[in-house]
Amino acid sequence: NAGVTQTPKFQVLKTGQSMTLQCAQDMNHEYMSWYRQDPGMGLRLIHYSVGAGITDQGEVPNGYNVSRSTTEDFPLRLLSAAPSQTSVYFCASSYSPVGTEAFFGQGTRLTVV
Amino acid sequence: TQLLEQSPQFLSIQEGENLTVYCNSSSVFSSLQWYRQEPGEGPVLLVTVVTGGEVKKLKRLTFQFGDARKDSSLHITAAQPGDTGLYLCAGEGSNYKLTFGKGTLLTVNP
Repeated sequence: NAGVTQTPKFQVLKTGQSMTLQCAQDMNHEYMSWYRQDPGMGLRLIHYSVGAGITDQGEVPNGYNVSRSTTEDFPLRLLSAAPSQTSVYFCASSYSPVGTEAFFGQGTRLTVV
Repeated sequence: TQLLEQSPQFLSIQEGENLTVYCNSSSVFSSLQWYRQEPGEGPVLLVTVVTGGEVKKLKRLTFQFGDARKDSSLHITAAQPGDTGLYLCAGEGSNYKLTFGKGTLLTVNP
């Protein structure tokens, strides 16, 4: 059982480049979310989805896009990378957004130079 | 915006000592979760507390949810080096989103 799989694990981008962080889960969870983790800041919600075709913004959505065409996949797109987007990104999924365990991927460490 | 304040931010203790980590807010949460995160990994759920005043025990770990559902604590008895990690509390608010605290980085020295 793979759980939540994120790719790539590490990425270096130049300012202005775009890229997509991939997230896939095999637990048939409806709720998926993206967080970024910065030193001293904890986990901050970027975007989330309550099911295929439905997405919404979290606390820090600027500079990021998401889509949810299938239950399994929830990619995060950086439109034009900036050094402020240097961070560790985590994808999570759960059976529902209410009172259930969130399963996290191993993270993607992104550096924007 | 619902905020969760965790204290202390850093904690370094010797093996065998007891410790308590706090998670406080001015907001009411419908439930509160505690996660542990190891370097290079994603957070892993330890426990969910739902009812005000609830106490849950997980081996040497004791979790408590405040009566007003605004705060929580994690107490570890006889800490071991394997307890080392980042402890995160996360509150589920009225908008069904999880709000995370900034975490407590615990180091248990042998």
